[in-house]
Amino acid sequence: LAKTTQPISMDSYEGQEVNITCSHNNIATNDYITWYQQFPSQGPRFIIQGYKTKVTNEVASLFIPADRKSSTLSLPRVSLSDTAVYYCLVGDGAAGNKLTFGGGTRVLVKP
Amino acid sequence: SAVISQKPSRDICQRGTSLTIQCQVDSQVTMMFWYRQQPGQSLTLIATANQGSEATYESGFVIDKFPISRPNLTFSTLTVSNMSPEDSSIYLCSVGTEKPNEQFFGPGTRLTVL
Repeated sequence: LAKTTQPISMDSYEGQEVNITCSHNNIATNDYITWYQQFPSQGPRFIIQGYKTKVTNEVASLFIPADRKSSTLSLPRVSLSDTAVYYCLVGDGAAGNKLTFGGGTRVLVKP
Repeated sequence: SAVISQKPSRDICQRGTSLTIQCQVDSQVTMMFWYRQQPGQSLTLIATANQGSEATYESGFVIDKFPISRPNLTFSTLTVSNMSPEDSSIYLCSVGTEKPNEQFFGPGTRLTVL
């Protein structure tokens, strides 16, 4: 499983766009890039996954450059309720689909 | 998506005792997992709960300390045995899907050991 590196924390304000970059230099050909969101006192929630280029859903966008050695999760126009820890994971879903969580990025949205 | 419940939601226990945590899923699932999340930390996988066979433990976790049952495709239990204050954590169960790296997590059980 490829190791990931992401900032420990980020502060933002309501209405701003938040971009969290994750480095995964050793990503393998079959690996997907997956992001989870964890609110306080809750289990993590799958929010987006991609393999290359750009993926967008109702929650976020995921940008993946051609070399796939990094990825950026973009949260548009954040609100206070987006305050959470965001985890970047890389893997191919094999080995029983086990997940390895890194340190995550703690995002604090201020009024 | 799967709906997952855990019991108890929290507990305070004395050292040396054991606690069994239950995980119930609203649909049959093949893959179930147990994680631990220590205060302020990320999640660590304890084991994969296999239906009809012994659980598969990750490095640093052993069956004597964390026995797991998986009697059917919708239910699993994790027991934290002979507890010490270092076992104070949130314990979460999750289920896998056919999508790579996608899991649904339960709300967690917050355990405090005195």
